[in-house]
Parts: sequence; structure tokens; C-alpha cells
Amino acid sequence: DAKTTQPNSMESNEEEPVHLPCNHSTISGTDYIHWYRQLPSQGPEYVIHGLTSNVNNRMASLAIAEDRKSSTLILHRATLRDAAVYYCILAEYNNNDMRFGAGTRLTVKP
Amino acid sequence: DAGVTQSPTHLIKTRGQQVTLRCSPKSGHDTVSWYQQALGQGPQFIFQYYEEEERQRGNFPDRFSGHQFPNYSSELNVNALLLGDSALYLCASSAPLAEMTNEQFFGPGTRLTVL
Repeated sequence: DAKTTQPNSMESNEEEPVHLPCNHSTISGTDYIHWYRQLPSQGPEYVIHGLTSNVNNRMASLAIAEDRKSSTLILHRATLRDAAVYYCILAEYNNNDMRFGAGTRLTVKP
Repeated sequence: DAGVTQSPTHLIKTRGQQVTLRCSPKSGHDTVSWYQQALGQGPQFIFQYYEEEERQRGNFPDRFSGHQFPNYSSELNVNALLLGDSALYLCASSAPLAEMTNEQFFGPGTRLTVL
């Protein structure tokens, strides 16, 4: 299974951008890069996913390196509600076997 | 739409007992996956059900089994409970392949404590 590496924790100030990195040097050509987050006492929720091109949605942006061996989740203006554990996951399209790692715990300071 | 619902919310069992957890998928979803999340760790994939059959399975022993009903709801059964089975059990559902969406929707989980 392709694996991802993320920092254990990161801190951000409220209303500032946050860049959450993920390394996936063993990514295969058919792997999509998925990001989920888990707020305290809740199940994970989908954030964004992409294959090769950068992606934007209402929650975040995903920047994917040209060689696809790393990616960065960008929260443009962090709020206190964005404090969560963020997971970077590799999976083939429509492969619902999501292999979660330990994720990055994001703390947002007021 | 109530989203993914799970029952019960919390459960306490003793070693050796059996437990059944239940999940109702989001409306319109036909695939259900189960995950185990130990404290401080990410969710670990147990198995996935589609068309009432187990389609994929993670690295879990046969003590973990499941079922999917014609209405797409699902059950997770764990036999001969061990202390190490104490965890949050998450259910996730996803839409039919034809909808070309790649998003899983998770329920709030069932917290199982084994004493």
C-alpha cells in the first residue's frame, strides 16, 4: 500500500492561511490524493481530492507537486472551527478502502 | 437527509462477549465501509459491503464479520471480544459508482468499551 507522511501537529493563527504538507513518494499512477479531516468527537469528513492538477473547492485548495510525490492542503483563512486532525490518504478512484495514517493535528489560536 | 447514522452511541461489554453494531447509510448510497479507530490513531479499514456482499477486507481477524441488508443498511459483528477491541467504530457510506463521486460520508461512530 502506498503510504503518506505528515507532520504530527501544526499550529496556526486565526484568519491566517495554513499549509498542511503530505509526502507520498511511492504514489502510483492510479492513486488519487484524498484529504479528510476529523473534528473532535466526530467522524471524518471529506475535504478535497485530486489526481494531478491543483484543485479548489469551498473548503480548501489542494496543490499537487509536478512529480506527484507530495501535496499541500491549503486553508486560505483558518478559523477556530478548522481545528481538527487532517488526514492525507492515497487511494485509487472509487476505491473506498481508505488507509488512514495518524494525520496532522491542527491547532488554531485566536 | 439524516446522513449516516449509527447505533448505539456507546456500548460496554466484557471480554468474550459478542457485539453487534448498526449503520444506516446516507440516502441514495449503496456501499458501506466499516473502520476501527483506537484512541489517538487514525481509522483502520475493516471491510466494505456492496450488493449485500463483502467486497474488500482489511487486516482484521475472522472474529469481525458483517452483513448488508437489501435496504443497504449494515451490521458489524465482533465475536469473542478482547480488551484490544475497545475503540470507536465508524461506518462510512458512498454513492453508486455511476454517480462518479469519490467521497465517503462518515457517521459519528459507536464507542465500544471492553472490560
